[in-house]
Amino acid sequence: SQTIHQWPATLVQPVGSPLSLECTVEGTSNPNLYWYRQAAGRGLQLLFYSVGIGQISSEVPQNLSASRPQDRQFILSSKKLLLSDSGFYLCAWNSGVVYNSPLHFGNGTRLTVT
Amino acid sequence: DQQVKQNSPSLSVQEGRISILNCDYTNSMFDYFLWYKKYPAEGPTFLISISSIKDKNEDGRFTVFLNKSAKHLSLHIVPSQPGDSAVYFCAATLVNRDDKIIFGKGTRLHILP
Repeated sequence: SQTIHQWPATLVQPVGSPLSLECTVEGTSNPNLYWYRQAAGRGLQLLFYSVGIGQISSEVPQNLSASRPQDRQFILSSKKLLLSDSGFYLCAWNSGVVYNSPLHFGNGTRLTVT
Repeated sequence: DQQVKQNSPSLSVQEGRISILNCDYTNSMFDYFLWYKKYPAEGPTFLISISSIKDKNEDGRFTVFLNKSAKHLSLHIVPSQPGDSAVYFCAATLVNRDDKIIFGKGTRLHILP
């Protein structure tokens, strides 16, 4: 069966520090991978998605970036965090082959920038 | 530009009664719609979906209705149970298959005893 792992579960970082959140998927090949952020009053905001290794689409211009160094690994990064980067970050995957495959989410990372 | 709108931030329903969660969308190119349920500190889980070629899909206590002319869909939960208390997100995908899935802001459902 397929599983998605996301870590860490919680993170407190000072303003200006770097960020690296990692997500891995097991039990499937060539998944689509997504990073979403849930911020207060804004629902689930799509940040990045990837349909293959090295392919990243950015939805929201900001100081975050994403990379997909391996087929089932998706990394969210920042060189310098802002206060506004605080939120609940969710990694998700779906099948790149099955039409309209639902998203499967990880358990999320609660990021607090102080 | 909010393409998927859930205009009710919260909803309270008596246990055993019907819960109706509403969602509106602006992009007529959306071809598939999904509902997700989310508990605090967890990722959302998929509930039910509907294709734009249908107007109703049912799965146990959950039914989704789609009104394309009104660009409106709704999720009906009947009977409502305490475990249904959660945030519900409506989501939509685009017909050009660029694999984007757009979510609404969510509606928090409280089931009252």
